[in-house]
Amino acid sequence: KQEVTQIPAALSVPEGENLVLNCSFTDSAIYNLQWFRQDPGKGLTSLLLIQSSQREQTSGRLNASLDKSSGRSTLYIAASQPGDSATYLCAVGGGNYQLIWGAGTKLIIKP
Amino acid sequence: NAGVTQTPKFQVLKTGQSMTLQCAQDMNHEYMSWYRQDPGMGLRLIHYSVGAGITDQGEVPNGYNVSRSTTEDFPLRLLSAAPSQTSVYFCASSLTGANTEAFFGQGTRLTVV
Repeated sequence: KQEVTQIPAALSVPEGENLVLNCSFTDSAIYNLQWFRQDPGKGLTSLLLIQSSQREQTSGRLNASLDKSSGRSTLYIAASQPGDSATYLCAVGGGNYQLIWGAGTKLIIKP
Repeated sequence: NAGVTQTPKFQVLKTGQSMTLQCAQDMNHEYMSWYRQDPGMGLRLIHYSVGAGITDQGEVPNGYNVSRSTTEDFPLRLLSAAPSQTSVYFCASSLTGANTEAFFGQGTRLTVV
């Protein structure tokens, strides 16, 4: 059974720092991995989707990498801003239409 | 461009009551799903649908029913609410399934007393 883990559960950093969020999964037989952002009281917003054949995806200040063999993905945020404060979730897509989710990392960027 | 619309945003139910959470999408997506989110846990799949007339169970289907009569709508019914169903519920849609980008509604915060 696929399990997805995100460590740490919470992270607080000063504005301007570059940071890395981690996501690990137990079964390397995945279709894709997605990173989402969740703001309090709001829905989830898709940030990046990495297909299993890809190693990384970039969008603006965000870069997500995927290493299937080691069961790991990282989300790199460059030059963090207070507006980046949110909970970041990763989800792994398998072959049965389902996404398996991590519990998220709550990120706080201090001005 | 509405995307995925969920109603209501908040709801309080008494144990044993029934209700329907509404979900509609205007992107002509084939795949729709319902998740619940509980503190400290990842989202868990309740039910999903790969197209009109086709539904299937996810990880935690007990106590919930769904139907998909149109491509646009995917309501979730709580048959007899229990305190264990207190949670935040999210509806999501994607073009063809877990291998395509998912779009989420704003969520419904449900409290069962």
